[in-house]
Amino acid sequence: GNSVTQMEGPVTLSEEAFLTINCTYTATGYPSLFWYVQYPGEGLQLLLKATKADDKGSNKGFEATYRKETTSFHLEKGSVQVSDSAVYFCALTQASGYSTLTFGKGTMLLVSP
Amino acid sequence: DVKVTQSSRYLVKRTGEKVFLECVQDMDHENMFWYRQDPGLGLRLIYFSYDVKMKEKGDIPEGYSVSREKKERFSLILESASTNQTSMYLCASSQNGAPGNTIYFGEGSWLTVV
Repeated sequence: GNSVTQMEGPVTLSEEAFLTINCTYTATGYPSLFWYVQYPGEGLQLLLKATKADDKGSNKGFEATYRKETTSFHLEKGSVQVSDSAVYFCALTQASGYSTLTFGKGTMLLVSP
Repeated sequence: DVKVTQSSRYLVKRTGEKVFLECVQDMDHENMFWYRQDPGLGLRLIYFSYDVKMKEKGDIPEGYSVSREKKERFSLILESASTNQTSMYLCASSQNGAPGNTIYFGEGSWLTVV
């Protein structure tokens, strides 16, 4: 079946540091890939997505590139802010059948001033 | 903007009670979903629905049922609540089943079963 593996947290960074959160997946065919963010006490918000190989999703300074050859979708940001502190979830929907999300376990990011 | 509204943010229920969690979306979406979120386990799919009166089991349906009588509303039912169902429950919706469609989430309902 489908699965998503992302690095365990918490990831602790100082403001303006570079961020990478690793995500790899197992799926048949060409799934669509997503990053969701959850701020404290809130639901999930879509951060970015990519629907085919070599696509780059980007939003709010975050980027991730769909790498079919390494089955990866790593999240990056060049300079994090305190307001980026949240839990980040990598997820996929399969290429055929019902489009339900399969999630990784989430990575908490803590950014200090 | 898409809005997915979960009517109760915080609930405390007793073991054995029947619990209803309600969810409404305002964008005429075909698909609706219920997930639960637990520390260290991430989000797991309980049930989903791709049309009115249609439902499909997700990964962890045991102890739950759902109802979708109207397109905009999707209810999660705990027939007899147990302490291991203490969790955060998230409702979501998407336009249809096309690959790559964004799935939108509500704010979540924190359920404590005592």
